Amino acid sequence: QVQLVQSGAEVKKPGASVKVSCKASGYTFTAYNMHWVRQAPGQGLEWMGWINPNNGGTNFAQKFQGRVTMTSDTSISTAYMELSRLTSDDTAVYYCARVQAGGGYNLFDYWGQGTLVTVSS
Amino acid sequence: DIQMTQSPSAMSASVGDRVTITCRASQGITKYLAWFQQKPGKVPKRLIYAASSLQSGVPSRFIGSGFGTEFTLTISSLQPEDFATYYCLQHNSYPLTFGGGTKVEIK
Repeated sequence: QVQLVQSGAEVKKPGASVKVSCKASGYTFTAYNMHWVRQAPGQGLEWMGWINPNNGGTNFAQKFQGRVTMTSDTSISTAYMELSRLTSDDTAVYYCARVQAGGGYNLFDYWGQGTLVTVSS
Repeated sequence: DIQMTQSPSAMSASVGDRVTITCRASQGITKYLAWFQQKPGKVPKRLIYAASSLQSGVPSRFIGSGFGTEFTLTISSLQPEDFATYYCLQHNSYPLTFGGGTKVEIK
């Protein structure tokens, strides 16, 4: 069965960076792009960007340009999202979710369990 | 960027009620729209994709419709387990954008 398992909760100080992992299983990792979505406490869902594990190609929301890095390691079917220069506004639950490569309508059918990142001094 | 305007932002309804949630896109997105349900502390769950296709395993009381700029999610007969927040998502173009959410509460 398809599973996306994320790394555990993090507490970071303002200005620091955080790296969240998302390990995929149950499907061909390179057949799907991995997207990242975050949700601040009590707020809605916000799309951050995606990575194509096949070629490392990425696309980020402008809001995160220059501050986010997305990578993947196909040997262990794991995607990573690193966010730098954290502020309290980055306190949120971060989700990974898969999207079938090549376009179409098959997106976000499976999500990771979420990783709470708390930014506090 | 395509803006997704979702309404209402919150509503109260009773078990058995017919509930309709609307999403309006700021430009045409054909049928590149999905609907998600999220319960407190839980991961979003896809209900509808391609505007009107029901996700496998989702009850048939969830009905999606629309094309272009106007979309609706209808719950034909609200059940106790349906009290949650619902989000639309457009994926016609990047950046992907979600609606602001509709919280469906018990009347």
